[in-house]
Amino acid sequence: NAGVTQTPKFQVLKTGQSMTLQCAQDMNHNSMYWYRQDPGMGLRLIYYSASEGTTDKGEVPNGYNVSRLNKREFSLRLESAAPSQTSVYFCASRLDRGGYTFGSGTRLTVV
Amino acid sequence: SQQGEEDPQALSIQEGENATMNCSYKTSINNLQWYRQNSGRGLVHLILIRSNEREKHSGRLRVTLDTSKKSSSLLITASRAADTASYFCATDAATSYDKVIFGPGTSLSVIP
Repeated sequence: NAGVTQTPKFQVLKTGQSMTLQCAQDMNHNSMYWYRQDPGMGLRLIYYSASEGTTDKGEVPNGYNVSRLNKREFSLRLESAAPSQTSVYFCASRLDRGGYTFGSGTRLTVV
Repeated sequence: SQQGEEDPQALSIQEGENATMNCSYKTSINNLQWYRQNSGRGLVHLILIRSNEREKHSGRLRVTLDTSKKSSSLLITASRAADTASYFCATDAATSYDKVIFGPGTSLSVIP
């Protein structure tokens, strides 16, 4: 039982490059989330998916897109990376209104 | 402004002492959750308390919730060096399903 798996763990991008962060969960959770964490600011919600086939914007969606590929997978795409997107990205999932299970994070640096 | 705010921002105690962290929030909630994050790792869910509950225990953790004051506290008893981590409260708003909001966290250092 792997829980929530994120790839890659580390990534360095040049400004303007694109990339997709992958997330998969094996707990049959309905809801999946993408957060970013910056020093002193806690976690901020980027996008979420309450169920397969639906996605909604969170607090800081600009510059990102998401795809809920199936119940297990929820990917986050940066179309044109900017230095302001340097952050640690966490994927999470949960069942109904319970606690989240988090992945181990992706540390992204945009230069 | 953020829904949840932890207090203090940083806390340093000796091993064996108790650690208390507080969380304040602004709107009505369905539940409130506490998480721990060790340096460089993902967040780990510790405990969830529902809006109709006042106190909950899990091992050395005790969480209280006062909905009239819109506040919660996390007490860690008999702290250990391994408890050194950042602790976050997260509020699951009553009217915004699927928009759990995290506070900026309390950094706890337990000195052996």
